[in-house]
Amino acid sequence: DAKTTQPTSMDCAEGRAANLPCNHSTISGNEYVYWYRQIHSQGPQYIIHGLKNNETNEMASLIITEDRKSSTLILPHATLRDTAVYYCIVKKSNTGKLIFGQGTTLQVKP
Amino acid sequence: GAVVSQHPSRVICKSGTSVKIECRSLDFQATTMFWYRQFPKQSLMLMATSNEGSKATYEQGVEKDKFLINHASLTLSTLTVTSAHPEDSSFYICSAPRQDQNTEAFFGQGTRLTVV
Repeated sequence: DAKTTQPTSMDCAEGRAANLPCNHSTISGNEYVYWYRQIHSQGPQYIIHGLKNNETNEMASLIITEDRKSSTLILPHATLRDTAVYYCIVKKSNTGKLIFGQGTTLQVKP
Repeated sequence: GAVVSQHPSRVICKSGTSVKIECRSLDFQATTMFWYRQFPKQSLMLMATSNEGSKATYEQGVEKDKFLINHASLTLSTLTVTSAHPEDSSFYICSAPRQDQNTEAFFGQGTRLTVV
């Protein structure tokens, strides 16, 4: 599975959009981009995933560049409860095996 | 939605004893489950893949005789930490993907193991 690179940490003001970038320059054609988050001392929570089109659900939006070498997770109106570690993972669709990098620690501040 | 339940959420055991952690898929069948370990301020590290009806597959550096995995049914996998030592104290998390969907893996709530 392709490796991803994310900033170590980010801050965001409550109520503002949080934009979390991820680089995955070695992604192959059949690999998806997945985003999970982990709130302190809990199991990871699925957020969203995509192949090449932008995706949106009730939690977030995922913007994938045309060359698929990077993506951005957008939390449109961040709340204090969105403070967590966000993981960007690239993997093939036919396996549930997830390899976690260090992720981005997002701190939402009042 | 699909849920994965992990039990217990916290356990304290004496050094040298064994501890069993259960991972259940509640409303779907999981022929494969995954076990992770997470130390403080670190990311999740994949330990092994639990396969229903066959032996588990362990990641490099993970001792299979110390971390016994049994996938007894399509909804249950267990991880037994044998002869636990203080360095085994960690947060253990399981996950299970739905086989009928090209979607996410679902995670248990984790088990905080403290060996004293």
